[in-house]
Amino acid sequence: DVKVTQSSRYLVKRTGEKVFLECVQDMDHENMFWYRQDPGLGLRLIYFSYDVKMKEKGDIPEGYSVSREKKERFSLILESASTNQTSMYLCASSFPPLTSGRAGYGNEQFFGPGTRLTVL
Amino acid sequence: GQSLEQPSEVTAVEGAIVQINCTYQTSGFYGLSWYQQHDGGAPTFLSYNALDGLEETGRFSSFLSRSDSYGYLLLQELQMKDSASYFCAAPNSGGYQKVTFGTGTKLQVIP
Repeated sequence: DVKVTQSSRYLVKRTGEKVFLECVQDMDHENMFWYRQDPGLGLRLIYFSYDVKMKEKGDIPEGYSVSREKKERFSLILESASTNQTSMYLCASSFPPLTSGRAGYGNEQFFGPGTRLTVL
Repeated sequence: GQSLEQPSEVTAVEGAIVQINCTYQTSGFYGLSWYQQHDGGAPTFLSYNALDGLEETGRFSSFLSRSDSYGYLLLQELQMKDSASYFCAAPNSGGYQKVTFGTGTKLQVIP
């Protein structure tokens, strides 16, 4: 079974603190993703990485950075936490998609349990 | 940009059939995925349609019509445990490896 783990289920931080969220996957996936999930807004992509040391901005990268030094590990960093970053953070991983688009391979993302971050 | 629209809530009776719709606007299109998320849980993959038509997996089926920019998830023989949020998702045209998710449909199954 694919396993994606996240460093914390719940986290409470103060405004201005530097926050690290870590994600580890054990299936040798090339792709890793960080999303935030807010009521009524669905899942929004913050950053993703398609290889070690490679990263691309998602839809809402402002206020965040990422690090991928090893294939299995993808970290999300909040340089200076703010109250509007209070949210559920979800990590996911996947293989690169096949150009044939066959179901179940490459199109499937595996998610971690999420970290509920509260910034006071 | 890319957007996927879903109804926010749907209620259905145990044992019945329910359809959750997803309409999308994309500059390019590679296919439509569906995910299920129970309250407090992680999203889990249900299905993916790359081509037009119906894909069936047990009680769940997913349909895609590229010409109508529309898809749906069909849940049959509803069970209480099907109460969850359901998201459609599509790879981005600008970067096939990125995925945009719809805002999600909260399904409540009632006795």
